[in-house]
Amino acid sequence: EVQLVESGGGLVQPGGSLKLSCAASGFTFSGSAMHWVRQASGKGLEWVGRIRSKANSYATAYAASVKGRFTISRDDSKNTAYLQMNSLKTEDTAVYYCTRQGGSWGSHFDYWGQGTLVTVSS
Amino acid sequence: QSALTQPASVSGSPGQSITISCTGTSSDVGSYNLVSWYQQHPGKAPKLMIYEVSKRPSGVSNRFSGSKSGNTASLTISGLQAEDEADYYCCSYAGSSTSNWVFGGGTKLTVL
Repeated sequence: EVQLVESGGGLVQPGGSLKLSCAASGFTFSGSAMHWVRQASGKGLEWVGRIRSKANSYATAYAASVKGRFTISRDDSKNTAYLQMNSLKTEDTAVYYCTRQGGSWGSHFDYWGQGTLVTVSS
Repeated sequence: QSALTQPASVSGSPGQSITISCTGTSSDVGSYNLVSWYQQHPGKAPKLMIYEVSKRPSGVSNRFSGSKSGNTASLTISGLQAEDEADYYCCSYAGSSTSNWVFGGGTKLTVL
């Protein structure tokens, strides 16, 4: 059974930092691109960024809203993806989901974690 | 990259059919057959319902179908059931030079 479990959310002050983790099981993590998607309360889904597999040079990409502040990494030996969030703003407050990019063409997000809440407030 | 445009809400009675539209641009929906749809119940994670415009993952009811014409994708749910009441989001690949992936604003489906 595929499982994605996020952790590390919490309350942080504006300008602060937080690192989220996404522990994966039930599939070949090392071969999968992993993404982070966030959702502010009562709002829609927003793509945050992704990291590709080792075979694709661990390439990363980010949404314009987080580029330069957020960094995605992974540790294939631990089957875990990370989202390092720096210079946090109040508008970064959201539930953060990790999700696997699936399909032969990498065309969709087939498995999602339960999400972890990040609150940026003074 | 702007979000894809979806109606804020749609409704239908049990047994009826509804369609949710998702309008993008020639840079996302119009350029790639990489449109997917997600169902989200309150307090839950999104669930994949349709991928590559019209394909259904294993386990998803054949009451759910997808299509695309030009810059607009659509999700149709036939034979509405109470458990279909949820938020629905479309998503499209938008190219590697932009935000890569873009979601719609979401549509609240109410089963009357």
